Amino acid sequence: DTAVSQTPKYLVTQMGNDKSIKCEQNLGHDTMYWYKQDSKKFLKIMFSYNNKELIINETVPNRFSPKSPDKAHLNLHINSLELGDSAVYFCASSQEAAGGFIGYTFGSGTRLTVV
Amino acid sequence: AQSVTQLDSHVSVSEGTPVLLRCNYSSSYSPSLFWYVQHPNKGLQLLLKYTSAATLVKGINGFEAEFKKSETSFHLTKPSAHMSDAAEYFCVVSESGNQFYFGTGTSLTVIP
Repeated sequence: DTAVSQTPKYLVTQMGNDKSIKCEQNLGHDTMYWYKQDSKKFLKIMFSYNNKELIINETVPNRFSPKSPDKAHLNLHINSLELGDSAVYFCASSQEAAGGFIGYTFGSGTRLTVV
Repeated sequence: AQSVTQLDSHVSVSEGTPVLLRCNYSSSYSPSLFWYVQHPNKGLQLLLKYTSAATLVKGINGFEAEFKKSETSFHLTKPSAHMSDAAEYFCVVSESGNQFYFGTGTSLTVIP
């Protein structure tokens, strides 16, 4: 069973297009995230949602808009794609419990290439 | 404020020899610490995590890490490297559960 699933796995698109990446988790976690992994492999948090509410919104161009229809889904929509948006985007989910976390799980990533 | 520093961007070991990947963190509170591994063209996989229980944490695939508060370190070790261990490793720190900070990664090469 896939715990955190992202679709699509690969996405190649032209500059100026609008695209979406979907993420779903079946772990019952309350919090979901989007990370961007740049060419140097560094992961940077973009957004975090807790029970459908935006709680973290790092410095990200407003062309990026997350949407959470329910706590099991967090989609990422990108408008007017630019070459610099090419990266691997990771979705993740977590659940905080007493004494720490009972799980923090990543999806397998979506490799976005803008041409 | 919290941050994490992976001291080596690249580590190369011979197969069968020990692995040491270094990580230092800074945190105002008692943090949770994680090590993740990413194989080429694969997603991130949790190796192990520390959440204020035992300071020596055992993970999957023979990896373990020791939380040393006095040294603010959480180094990852394995007694004997295997070819399949070649990958990118990320040290992660979190205080609140809603924000996780990743190190810049350490690329491990295993030489046959």
